[in-house]
Amino acid sequence: GEDVEQSFFLSVREGDSSVINCTYTDSSSTYLYWYKQEPGAGLQLLTYIFSNMDMKQDQRLTVLLNKKDKHLSLRIADTQTGDSAIYFCAESMSGGYQKVTFGTGTKLQVIP
Amino acid sequence: GAVVSQHPSRVICKSGTSVKIECRSLDFQATTMFWYRQFPKQSLMLMATSNEGSKATYEQGVEKDKFLINHASLTLSTLTVTSAHPEDSSFYICSASDASIYNEQFFGPGTRLTVL
Repeated sequence: GEDVEQSFFLSVREGDSSVINCTYTDSSSTYLYWYKQEPGAGLQLLTYIFSNMDMKQDQRLTVLLNKKDKHLSLRIADTQTGDSAIYFCAESMSGGYQKVTFGTGTKLQVIP
Repeated sequence: GAVVSQHPSRVICKSGTSVKIECRSLDFQATTMFWYRQFPKQSLMLMATSNEGSKATYEQGVEKDKFLINHASLTLSTLTVTSAHPEDSSFYICSASDASIYNEQFFGPGTRLTVL
C-alpha cells in the first residue's frame, strides 16, 4: 500500500527558512499536496504540485519534487510565528474523486 | 474557494449512545465526500468514501455497521457513530469534492468526539 513518511518535528527561528521533507512510495501518485493544520482545526491546503513538475513557487512557499527518489519538500521562506503548525504532505492518484493518503505530519515550531 | 462545514464541532456523549456528524458543502455540489479520523498526534486515516446516491466504500478495518455513512444529497453527508465507546473518541474530518471542477478535496473544520 501507499506509505508517506515525514520527520516528526522541526524547530526554526523566526525569519529563517524552514524545509519540511516528505518521502512517498506510490510511483503512480499524480498529485502531491501540502496541508497545514493548526491545533484543534481542520486542514488548510497550502499548495499542490503535479507529478510532471519539478518545482512550484507560491509567494513564501517553494515545493520541490524529485520523482526519481519519490521525495517532496516544502520550503517556507522568512518563517513567521504564525507558521507554527503541523504540516502534512499527501498524495493522490487523481485529485478530487479518489482518496488522499496523508503523511505522518511534521510539527513546525517557530521560535521568536 | 469552496467551503465545507461540519456540525457539531464538539460532542461529548455517553458510552452506548449514537452520535451523528454532518458534513455540508456550502457553495458547490459535492459528488464525492470522504470521512477521515485523526487520533491525537497522528495523521489522518481515511474511513470511507461516499458518492451521492450510492453506498459508501469503506476502508479495510472500518466497521460499516458501526460507522454509518449517508450521502443523500450533493451537499450533505452524515456519519453516525453507533453504540459509541471510549475508543471511538477521536477527531473526525470530512472532505468534499467535485472532481469535474477541482483537483483537490476541501476539508471541513473537524468534529471532536469524546465518549465517556
